[in-house]
Amino acid sequence: DTGVSQDPRHKITKRGQNVTFRCDPISEHNRLYWYRQTLGQGPEFLTYFQNEAQLEKSRLLSDRFSAERPKGSFSTLEIQRTEQGDSAMYLCASNPRVASGGKSSYNEQFFGPGTRLTVL
Amino acid sequence: SQELEQSPQSLIVQEGKNLTINCTSSKTLYGLYWYKQKYGEGLIFLMMLQKGGEEKSHEKITAKLDEKKQQSSLHITASQPSHAGIYLCGARGYQKVTFGTGTKLQVIP
Repeated sequence: DTGVSQDPRHKITKRGQNVTFRCDPISEHNRLYWYRQTLGQGPEFLTYFQNEAQLEKSRLLSDRFSAERPKGSFSTLEIQRTEQGDSAMYLCASNPRVASGGKSSYNEQFFGPGTRLTVL
Repeated sequence: SQELEQSPQSLIVQEGKNLTINCTSSKTLYGLYWYKQKYGEGLIFLMMLQKGGEEKSHEKITAKLDEKKQQSSLHITASQPSHAGIYLCGARGYQKVTFGTGTKLQVIP
């Protein structure tokens, strides 16, 4: 399977515990994104990486959240001291840089299956 | 910030019927994605539209972007149970996609 993969698919934790999710993007995709989706809503942008550099973080990403992409390949998203409000689906997406007419652009984002977090 | 409004929020249709989902943006769209999501799963890319007046089709699904590039519609012809799911429109930004709240589609056999 050469798609975006995420691990684990489901995570149940108690309030106050730390959790870490992993995302493996499609090989050679430069950009990697994290989104959060709560029930009945569309995904909301959290952060993105171009290679190993984290270039933007949403205001949704509180100090308890940290994301890394150390070698420019897989990424991890850690939530410290989880709260019930953190319960959501965490989605990862990646896309390649597309060269066209001497310019680079980014088109379709390929999404992983998501990690569903439940905080009790 | 850009906001996308989808209508209807939910839809129940009988198998074989046609249906349309609308997506309206608060700002000009520089790219509009349509994704489908099954409950509890990731997003499946359907189509991307960029030019005003553009129309794309894939199997029984047709998406259009209006000339002013602020509205898009997704039309399904002769719906099937396999079309059931949540349809999401997303506005392409420089660094991220901003999504609408989604339209939940149920197809009754």
